[in-house]
Amino acid sequence: DTAVSQTPKYLVTQMGNDKSIKCEQNLGHDTMYWYKQDSKKFLKIMFSYNNKELIINETVPNRFSPKSPDKAHLNLHINSLELGDSAVYFCASSSRDKFSPLHFGNGTRLTVT
Amino acid sequence: GNSVTQMEGPVTLSEEAFLTINCTYTATGYPSLFWYVQYPGEGLQLLLKATKADDKGSNKGFEATYRKETTSFHLEKGSVQVSDSAVYFCARGTDNYGQNFVFGPGTRLSVLP
Repeated sequence: DTAVSQTPKYLVTQMGNDKSIKCEQNLGHDTMYWYKQDSKKFLKIMFSYNNKELIINETVPNRFSPKSPDKAHLNLHINSLELGDSAVYFCASSSRDKFSPLHFGNGTRLTVT
Repeated sequence: GNSVTQMEGPVTLSEEAFLTINCTYTATGYPSLFWYVQYPGEGLQLLLKATKADDKGSNKGFEATYRKETTSFHLEKGSVQVSDSAVYFCARGTDNYGQNFVFGPGTRLSVLP
């Protein structure tokens, strides 16, 4: 059973398009995240949701909008895609216990042409 | 401060060599510390963790000890294998309720046969 699953695995699209990435976790965790990993492997947190409420919203263009229909799902919608949005996007989840690690999905490689 | 520093990569070793990847962190409290591994084309997987000072995390022959006095969590393995080739990330959790993880920049390890 996949613990954190995200779709699609690859996404190739043109500038100006709107796209969504979906994420689901079956671990019963309360907190979900979106991270962006650039070509140098730097990981940057974008958003964090706890029980469907936004708790972290780093400096991210407002073209990026997370949506959490329930605590097992956190989707990422991106409007008006730009070349610089090309990256690997990772969904993750954790429990409320401060000792709990993050559990990551396998990533979505977004390529904007 | 709120940062994690890792040694710059890439690190290239021969099979069966000894591995050390240095990691230091800044913290106002006593966060949990983690090492994650990312194999090519995959998400980050938890490798090991330590939740308090002097704890030693270990897994798959890797070890790291939580050193409060030096604010360090260096990763070691006595004899690396080709299959250990990956990117390794040191990370700290927060000491606040909210799980704002901070990741180091990652260290790429290549093990040659």
